Amino acid sequence: GAGVSQSPSNKVTEKGKDVELRCDPISGHTALYWYRQRLGQGLEFLIYFQGNSAPDKSGLPSDRFSAERTGESVSTLTIQRTQQEDSAVYLCASSRRGNSGNTIYFGEGSWLTVV
Amino acid sequence: AQSVTQLDSQVPVFEEAPVELRCNYSSSVSVYLFWYVQYPNQGLQLLLKYLSGSTLVESINGFEAEFNKSQTSFHLRKPSVHISDTAEYFCAVSVKGGSEKLVFGKGTKLTVNP
Repeated sequence: GAGVSQSPSNKVTEKGKDVELRCDPISGHTALYWYRQRLGQGLEFLIYFQGNSAPDKSGLPSDRFSAERTGESVSTLTIQRTQQEDSAVYLCASSRRGNSGNTIYFGEGSWLTVV
Repeated sequence: AQSVTQLDSQVPVFEEAPVELRCNYSSSVSVYLFWYVQYPNQGLQLLLKYLSGSTLVESINGFEAEFNKSQTSFHLRKPSVHISDTAEYFCAVSVKGGSEKLVFGKGTKLTVNP
């Protein structure tokens, strides 16, 4: 597609349930990022994939959060046993390479509400 | 570690007035600097970035930002704003020579009133 695609765009889930959020990066982009944006807060880095290198997971807030990426395509962010503080917009981004200074392109986000 | 401070969470202005959105950063290493914009109900888009060379960078829609190394600032300015500039603006940095991982400020919501 023309841009980074994320699904679902909105998700309401009950506390304690697991959720999966999907990201389709721009075709040909080797780098993929997940960020979280809580209400009134800036974007928090979660995880970064670059080609076949080991992902940078340094931003994952707890072991309830995990992400996978198959090759240079789709990525899935999984949140297990969701808590109310997980409510946020989860943003995916991609870029051609992982070198600093390149422009990264964001999707429109998946709005997660935990009730 | 890097950090970004956007001093104003909200900036209301009237149409055609000038605006400055402030951004300061902290880093022990050299960084690249970015401004991203998020229009209502849209995703984040790159507005402009500073990598090297001239410290003044411009966007296609009239915004400019100046990198000031001594003050560790990258303030965003526009001499005359339009209603359509209403959006949230995020300042961000990445480490030179590192990955593209961006560290963001908390954002400044610019509201342009008629």
